[in-house]
Amino acid sequence: AQSVTQLGSHVSVSEGALVLLRCNYSSSVPPYLFWYVQYPNQGLQLLLKYTSAATLVKGINGFEAEFKKSETSFHLTKPSAHMSDAAEYFCAVSDGGTASKLTFGTGTRLQVTL
Amino acid sequence: EAQVTQNPRYLITVTGKKLTVTCSQNMNHEYMSWYRQDPGLGLRQIYYSMNVEVTDKGDVPEGYKVSRKEKRNFPLILESPSPNQTSLYFCASSTRAGEQFFGPGTRLTVL
Repeated sequence: AQSVTQLGSHVSVSEGALVLLRCNYSSSVPPYLFWYVQYPNQGLQLLLKYTSAATLVKGINGFEAEFKKSETSFHLTKPSAHMSDAAEYFCAVSDGGTASKLTFGTGTRLQVTL
Repeated sequence: EAQVTQNPRYLITVTGKKLTVTCSQNMNHEYMSWYRQDPGLGLRQIYYSMNVEVTDKGDVPEGYKVSRKEKRNFPLILESPSPNQTSLYFCASSTRAGEQFFGPGTRLTVL
């Protein structure tokens, strides 16, 4: 069975500071990995995805994530936080074989302060 | 515009009164899923469908039913809702690569 662990349910950073949101996964087969963002009162929007191509994945809004197989991690980063980045972020894993079987982490709420 | 639509967006009902939440996608995706989102638990998959007339249980299927008679529609049915089904529900459709496109959500309250 696959699972996702997101360390830190709340993360607070200053505007302009580095954003680092942690995600570790477990999967018995090569995984597909995703980061989604949820703004208040909205649905989920895909930020980026890893599907066994380049290990460093660039997404929308300046976010990127690096797949590290040895660490079973897929941490999300952004060099400089903006107030508009305040949202909840979800990491998710799929085994790739069953595209619709997506397992989510419990989410990390990002707060950006002045 | 490519989208997943859900109706209703908000629903307050009482215990035991059958309800259906509709979901429709216009992207010709084969895969569709239903999730519920609860504070501190993230999103948990209720049911998914890999094609017309093909459905399977997700992680939390108890108390829910689904059907997939047409490719574009995937309704979620609560035959006898209970208060523990109060939640935020999302429908999603996906490509084979697992990139899921989400609807706007349905906030359900069961009294």
